[in-house]
Amino acid sequence: NFILTQPLSVSGSPGKTVTISCTRSSGNIADDYVQWYQQRPGNAPTPVIYEDNKRPSGVPDRFSGSIDSSSNSASLIISGLKTDDEADYYCQSYDRTNRGIFGGGTKLTVL
Amino acid sequence: EVHLEDSGGGLVKPGGSLRLSCETSGFMFVTHYMAWVRQIPGKGLEWVSTISTSSSYEYYADSVKGRFSISRDNPKGSVFLQMNSLRAEDTGVYYCARINRFGVVYFDYWGPGTPVTVSS
Repeated sequence: NFILTQPLSVSGSPGKTVTISCTRSSGNIADDYVQWYQQRPGNAPTPVIYEDNKRPSGVPDRFSGSIDSSSNSASLIISGLKTDDEADYYCQSYDRTNRGIFGGGTKLTVL
Repeated sequence: EVHLEDSGGGLVKPGGSLRLSCETSGFMFVTHYMAWVRQIPGKGLEWVSTISTSSSYEYYADSVKGRFSISRDNPKGSVFLQMNSLRAEDTGVYYCARINRFGVVYFDYWGPGTPVTVSS
């Protein structure tokens, strides 16, 4: 099985852009879709990106996703940072036996 | 509106059992795989188990295989997690989640979570 590695923390100023990476340890990142979830303290996770680069209804277009086969990683890009974006973010994919696999999570601080 | 409400968590001694429930509404339950995901205190998310639409297939994380059992009641729109032989490391918040569509493990809706504490 593979693991997904995320940075422990990232930070950015209001109005700026941050990128959170998610690197797959083995197998091709493009083989299985990647999702991204936002989790605020005390709340359940909510999806912000699914199937690599799609936004669920209600998620602003400041949130975008991409994958890069050369680095075998996925990225969550948040532009026009708002203080309300401060949260933990998790990437997630799956294997061929329908097992969900989560990254370790990244804490986003908006300075 | 899609709604998931998980319940059944609590304090249990090591070796004990708990049964978590998740009641759903607002969508055609019978057409969706369902899952449980947990979060250890201060840690990240860990997928626990998934059940297929007709209960024909069940999938478990290695950490819970043989101790936990997932089930569902399609007429009632509910999914359950029977947890036996509980250990301290099972302590955490347990979320039920809906899987968006067959073939892609994407958890599109989540319950609020129910806390489980395993301690003597």
